Amino acid sequence: DQQVKQNSPSLSVQEGRISILNCDYTNSMFDYFLWYKKYPAEGPTFLISISSIKDKNEDGRFTVFLNKSAKHLSLHIVPSQPGDSAVYFCAASDLQYSGGSNYKLTFGKGTLLTVNP
Amino acid sequence: DTEVTQTPKHLVMGMTNKKSLKCEQHMGHRAMYWYKQKAKKPPELMFVYSYEKLSINESVPSRFSPECPNSSLLNLHLHALQPEDSALYLCASSPSHSNYGYTFGSGTRLTVV
Repeated sequence: DQQVKQNSPSLSVQEGRISILNCDYTNSMFDYFLWYKKYPAEGPTFLISISSIKDKNEDGRFTVFLNKSAKHLSLHIVPSQPGDSAVYFCAASDLQYSGGSNYKLTFGKGTLLTVNP
Repeated sequence: DTEVTQTPKHLVMGMTNKKSLKCEQHMGHRAMYWYKQKAKKPPELMFVYSYEKLSINESVPSRFSPECPNSSLLNLHLHALQPEDSALYLCASSPSHSNYGYTFGSGTRLTVV
C-alpha cells in the first residue's frame, strides 16, 4: 500500500524551461511534506518543505504547491538547469505519529529529472 | 559540521559474517534514523532513535541490531544476513524541529553473498 505516489518515473526538460514534478498521497493524516534530491552514490539532500497549513512555499528557483483537497503536491523548478538532473523524492510525515521530536518520513519512489542543455 | 558521515561506503559480507555499519553526526541532532533503500524503490524506515533511546522499530528482523552509544553515534550491527538484504543503508539525523527535514549520509552499499 503506497501512501506516497510519484507516478512519473522520469521527466526530461530543456534547460531554462520549467520542471514540474508531481506527487500524490493517500493518508489524510500527513501534515508535512518534503522534497529531496538525490544524485547517484550520494544520500538524499533536503530541498524544500511545506506544512499542511500552507498551499505554497518558495525558495529561490524551487516552489512547492500543496492542494490538500486533491491530496496532491508539486515541485516547480524555474528555470531548470543541467545541475538539477537527479532523482527527486517526495516525502510525507505525520508529525503527530512520533510526537514531533522525531518523525517518520514516507517516501515516494522518486522521479528522475533530466535537464538537457 | 553539517554532515552525516557513514562508514564504510561499501561492504561485501557472507551470510555467516558479523559486521557493523557506523554513522556519526556533530550537528547536535537528537533524532537519528536508519533507512534501507533497494534499487528503484523509495527509502524505507528501519529504526528511529530519539535522545539515544530506540523509539521506532519498523518490524525489522532481529538479524539487524541497532545501537546508539551516544548522541553523535549510531551503529547497525549485522549478523546472518540474507542476499535479499543487499541494499543501500542510509543513516539520517534531524533536529527536534522538523522544518529542515532530515540530513542524510551518503549511505553504505551492502552486498550479501
